[in-house]
Amino acid sequence: NAGVTQTPKFQVLKTGQSMTLQCAQDMNHEYMSWYRQDPGMGLRLIHYSVGAGITDQGEVPNGYNVSRSTTEDFPLRLLSAAPSQTSVYFCASTLGTAYGYTFGSGTRLTVV
Amino acid sequence: AQSVAQPEDQVNVAEGNPLTVKCTYSVSGNPYLFWYVQYPNRGLQFLLKYITGDNLVKGSYGFEAEFNKSQTSFHLKKPSALVSDSALYFCAVRPGYSSASKIIFGSGTRLSIRP
Repeated sequence: NAGVTQTPKFQVLKTGQSMTLQCAQDMNHEYMSWYRQDPGMGLRLIHYSVGAGITDQGEVPNGYNVSRSTTEDFPLRLLSAAPSQTSVYFCASTLGTAYGYTFGSGTRLTVV
Repeated sequence: AQSVAQPEDQVNVAEGNPLTVKCTYSVSGNPYLFWYVQYPNRGLQFLLKYITGDNLVKGSYGFEAEFNKSQTSFHLKKPSALVSDSALYFCAVRPGYSSASKIIFGSGTRLSIRP
């Protein structure tokens, strides 16, 4: 099994550009989440989903959109990139409340 | 506000000595607690979890963690540290009645094991 696959691994954007970070899992997990990791701040939840067609906001949702049209895919869209969105982004999925997350390998995004 | 605290940014231990990485939490309901490890330029890997039952839980790579409800703590421990244990460790909690997708992470503790 591939687990959780994130693409791209690295990306440089100019301020104001938009882009989509891709996340796909092949474990049939209903629950998926997007986090950003910043030094000294741990991981902060951006958006999450409890199943296809259902998404909700996390702690830091501003500037990001998500959709969940299938169980497998959970893309994260940056609407108009800002330097404050420079970060490492992780997608994660889980089978349910009593299980740990499986994480993707991350996308390192730099906004200049 | 619901939160997880890892009071030490860095823990330094000599190889062969016991190690402890501290975690305390403040959440509603009965929490589910987790520890994850992150090696350089990698995603996080699940180490262990506490859901219910025995307060001492065992996980991967010889790690264990002790749940203390009265102190709202979930410290990570290992009896004998290895140099290969050097990594960034995150404590995480799912508040009671919260979604499986809505887990709160601490700020992380960098563990450094010297030979």
